[in-house]
Amino acid sequence: GAVVSQHPSRVICKSGTSVKIECRSLDFQATTMFWYRQFPKQSLMLMATSNEGSKATYEQGVEKDKFLINHASLTLSTLTVTSAHPEDSSFYICSANTRWGVPYEQYFGPGTRLTVT
Amino acid sequence: AQTVTQSQPEMSVQEAETVTLSCTYDTSESNYYLFWYKQPPSRQMILVIRQEAYKQQNATENRFSVNFQKAAKSFSLKISDSQLGDTAMYFCALHHPSNQAGTALIFGKGTTLSVSS
Repeated sequence: GAVVSQHPSRVICKSGTSVKIECRSLDFQATTMFWYRQFPKQSLMLMATSNEGSKATYEQGVEKDKFLINHASLTLSTLTVTSAHPEDSSFYICSANTRWGVPYEQYFGPGTRLTVT
Repeated sequence: AQTVTQSQPEMSVQEAETVTLSCTYDTSESNYYLFWYKQPPSRQMILVIRQEAYKQQNATENRFSVNFQKAAKSFSLKISDSQLGDTAMYFCALHHPSNQAGTALIFGKGTTLSVSS
């Protein structure tokens, strides 16, 4: 159990376009979802925390107008990179936990590799 | 501020040998959890082992064990009988539970472990 999926697994888009990444909890209700960004051989950098039905809380330095996060249901959160530029190319990982489960347990998606050309 | 420090960017070990990865952390909270995550080349985050701060006994999962020194705020991971499949980036992480919304993990910078035959 406790599976998180991400779609797409990799995406290539042109500079100036927008791209949406989906994060789904397949067999549990994710009351909180987290979005991370990871550069090669570096650690995960938390971008934002989203609670179902609430606006996302962004970390300092993360542009909320550029990285739009929506957590509209208990099984789906989306990250939209608007007007993407080559510097937005990175590996994006989501994770989720549930209020009704073990509070420290986080379930990670497999990640999405974004390349902006 | 809560921080997690991994001072070994890279380590290497031969198959069947034992290796220890270091992690120190800083927190003012009394209730927290510590984790080691493994990120293999697939980049899927995999939970290796967890430790509850209130437990004095060191956690063990098969070939993986921790040395939790609460007073020193140290949390090292020992991998016994290293296998080629242990080759990965290892992240130490700290979590403070919340009664409200979920709280994110605080990650160290990671240690890249290479196991050779």
